[in-house]
Amino acid sequence: DIQMTQSPSSLSASVGDRVTITCRTSQTISRYLNWYQQIPGKAPKLLIYGASSLQSGVPSRFIGTGSGTDFTLTIRSLQPEDFATYYCQQTYSSVTFGGGTKVEIK
Amino acid sequence: QVQLQESGPGVVKPSQTLSLICTVSGGSISSGSYYWNWIRQPAGKGLEWIGHIYTSGRTSYNPSLKSRVTMSVDTSKNQFSLKLSSVTAADTAVYYCARGVDFWSAYYDYWGQGTLVPVSA
Repeated sequence: DIQMTQSPSSLSASVGDRVTITCRTSQTISRYLNWYQQIPGKAPKLLIYGASSLQSGVPSRFIGTGSGTDFTLTIRSLQPEDFATYYCQQTYSSVTFGGGTKVEIK
Repeated sequence: QVQLQESGPGVVKPSQTLSLICTVSGGSISSGSYYWNWIRQPAGKGLEWIGHIYTSGRTSYNPSLKSRVTMSVDTSKNQFSLKLSSVTAADTAVYYCARGVDFWSAYYDYWGQGTLVPVSA
C-alpha cells in the first residue's frame, strides 16, 4: 500500500498569506496526485489533478507542483473562503488519501 | 450539470448490512470515460476510499474492507450501489459517492453531498 503523509496537519494563517501544504508518498507515483478542498459539512471539491492541472472553475491562486514522491499545494494569497481542510489523493496504485491539512484563521 | 445523490435507510444495527444507492442525474452513468466511487469519512477524521465500479461491472475495493464490500451498478436506473456487511460502530461515517474520471491521473470531479450512516443498536 502507498502511504501518504501530509504536513502540516494544521496551520494558522491570515488573509493574503501565502500557504504551502506538502504531501509525501511512500513510493514514487509519478504525477498521479490530486488535491481536494473540504469545507466543514460539505463534500470535498477537486482543486488540482495530475499534480499540477487546475480543475475548471478553480481560482488560479491554487498551484500544485511536484512529481515522484514529493508534492506541494500552494495558495498564493489566502482568501476568506479558503479556510478549509485540504487533502491529497494518489491514484497511481489503488487509492489513498492523505490525512488532511486544516487551514485556520490566525 | 452532473449531480450525485446518496440515499439509504439511515441507522444500521451492528452486524447488519449497510446499503446505499447513489443516483446520478444530468448525464448517463454509461457515457464517457468515467467510473463510480464510494468514499467515507468518520466524524472529525479523514477520507477513506471504499472502492469503485465501472459500468462494465469491474470493481476494485479497499483491501481493508474487501471482505465485506459489494458494489453494483444499474445502468437502466442511472444508479450504483454499495453494500457493507457485518457493520460495527467503526463503520459509522458520512458516506460519499463520487464520479471518477478515467484520465491518466484518475480523479473525482463530482461528489454527492454525503449521507451520515450511524451504526447503533
